[in-house]
Formats: sequence, structure tokens, C-alpha cells
Amino acid sequence: GENVEQHPSTLSVQEGDSAVIKCTYSDSASNYFPWYKQELGKRPQLIIDIRSNVGEKKDQRIAVTLNKTAKHFSLHITETQPEDSAVYFCAASRVASKLTFGTGTRLQVTL
Amino acid sequence: DTGVSQDPRHKITKRGQNVTFRCDPISEHNRLYWYRQTLGQGPEFLTYFQNEAQLEKSRLLSDRFSAERPKGSFSTLEIQRTEQGDSAMYLCASSLGQYQETQYFGPGTRLLVL
Repeated sequence: GENVEQHPSTLSVQEGDSAVIKCTYSDSASNYFPWYKQELGKRPQLIIDIRSNVGEKKDQRIAVTLNKTAKHFSLHITETQPEDSAVYFCAASRVASKLTFGTGTRLQVTL
Repeated sequence: DTGVSQDPRHKITKRGQNVTFRCDPISEHNRLYWYRQTLGQGPEFLTYFQNEAQLEKSRLLSDRFSAERPKGSFSTLEIQRTEQGDSAMYLCASSLGQYQETQYFGPGTRLLVL
């Protein structure tokens, strides 16, 4: 089955700096890669996703890149703000199927 | 609120008791997923439905766990003879259909087995 590894497990950045979270996956048939943000005690919320026919996608301060050959994808957050502090999960799946999640990255944005 | 809803939000039970959770997906979403999340970990897949058909079950889903989606709308997840290791957040998610992958999560049911 699919296995998703995520690094780093914790990340502390100063407000205004960029943050990068990296994930690798094992199943070459996976073709959908969402990123979720989860605040303490809250539900996971989709922040951006990418499909395997696209190499990069951007939404304001958030971008995701995908390297299918190397089987890794990354989340980039620019101009970080305190409200970006949360746990971020990457995930991978085949089309319209179960998600396999990474172990999460706790992002702390300090003033 | 037209998002995914779950009931109850919290459940405390004694070991050996049975519990049942309910999930109401977003209207017209054909796919419904159950995940379990323990502290400090990502959600782990349990099972999912396409309408009323249960298409896949994880090996994590022992025979004490059963899920149903009888009319293709809401779903229930039952845990029989609960164990302390069942303590976790049980998350439900739904997606529009076969070629629409985006899964929207509910607030979860936090289970504590004493």
C-alpha cells in the first residue's frame, strides 16, 4: 500500500519568512496530492491540492510542487503570518480513493 | 451549515461497551470516508462508501468495527466491545463522486474509553 513520509515534524519560522514542508510517497499510481491544515481541536481543512498532470500550483501565499519522477511534493508558504500556525498534513491517493496521510508538521510562526 | 456534520462530538464510555457514531455528509456527495486520528498522528483510513456500497475496509478495521450507509446518505460507525486502544478522534469525510477527489472533513467524534 501507499506510504507517505513528511518532514520536518516541527518547523519554527519568524513572521514574514517562508516555510517549506516536504513529503515523499511510495505508490507510483498515486495521482492526487492534497494538503490539509489542522488547528488544535479542529477538523482538517484543505488548503491546496495538486494532481499528477500538473507540476506546480499556486494560491496566493501558498504553493505546491510535485516531482513525479522522484515521488515527492512540497508545500511552500510565503510571508508567513501568526494565523498560519497549525499542523499541516500532506496526503496521497489514487483517483477518488482513500487518502494516505503523512505524520504532520507542526508549524509555529513567531512574532 | 452545509458542511459535513458528526454526532456526537464527544463520547466517554467504559471498556466493553458498544458505541455508535453518525456522520452526515455534504448533500449530494456520493462518497463517504471514515478515518481515525490519534494524538500527534495523521488520519488513518478505516473504510469508505460509494452511495450505499462499502467499497474498501482497512486492515485496521477489526471485526469489532462495522459501518453502514443504508440509504446512501448518512453513515454510522459502530464499535463493539470497546477497548482502551480505541480511544481516538473518528473523522468522517465526503467527496462529490468518482472523479472528484476533494474530501471535506467533519469536526470528528472524540472517543475516550475508560
